[in-house]
Amino acid sequence: SQQGEEDPQALSIQEGENATMNCSYKTSINNLQWYRQNSGRGLVHLILIRSNEREKHSGRLRVTLDTSKKSSSLLITASRAADTASYFCARDSGGSNYKLTFGKGTLLTVNP
Amino acid sequence: KAGVTQTPRYLIKTRGQQVTLSCSPISGHRSVSWYQQTPGQGLQFLFEYFSETQRNKGNFPGRFSGRQFSNSRSEMNVSTLELGDSALYLCASSRDPNSPLHFGNGTRLTVT
Repeated sequence: SQQGEEDPQALSIQEGENATMNCSYKTSINNLQWYRQNSGRGLVHLILIRSNEREKHSGRLRVTLDTSKKSSSLLITASRAADTASYFCARDSGGSNYKLTFGKGTLLTVNP
Repeated sequence: KAGVTQTPRYLIKTRGQQVTLSCSPISGHRSVSWYQQTPGQGLQFLFEYFSETQRNKGNFPGRFSGRQFSNSRSEMNVSTLELGDSALYLCASSRDPNSPLHFGNGTRLTVT
């Protein structure tokens, strides 16, 4: 499978703690994206990081990318109960592919 | 700006029937993609359309087909339904191939 792999598969933390999710992939990328999905709903785009970038921030979110290790991480700081959701990384290989390849996701539970 | 709209929200069909799902993209978005989400396989790419042309197709049998209209609205059709087709079908639109995807809330298809 060319899907990325997230770890952990599930993560449970207390409000105010930081949450780190990791994503690994096997082939080259044009960019890597992170999405959030609340139960039974559509996915919401969080951050896009290009292959020539190493780190990107958006509010309480920080994404890093290490292309030599083919891995990325998503850090959510000062988590809130509303951050409870599944988080997916998605690989864009670029070119004429016109598709994203999603990992299996990390289910994050933030306990109040 | 209205988001991606998918109809219907829920569908229950029996084996052997066919089904048509509809997707209206965000105004101005010409690329529409479809994904199937199941607990076992995760998010799987079905196809991508741009200006009424299918540019990429995932590894699904010919029972899965789609089309895009001149107003960018898209439909996907599944014929001869099987139990394994039960899934959340997600439509997403984007402005161009390198932009993030905007997802609808999906159509939950149950095949009995």
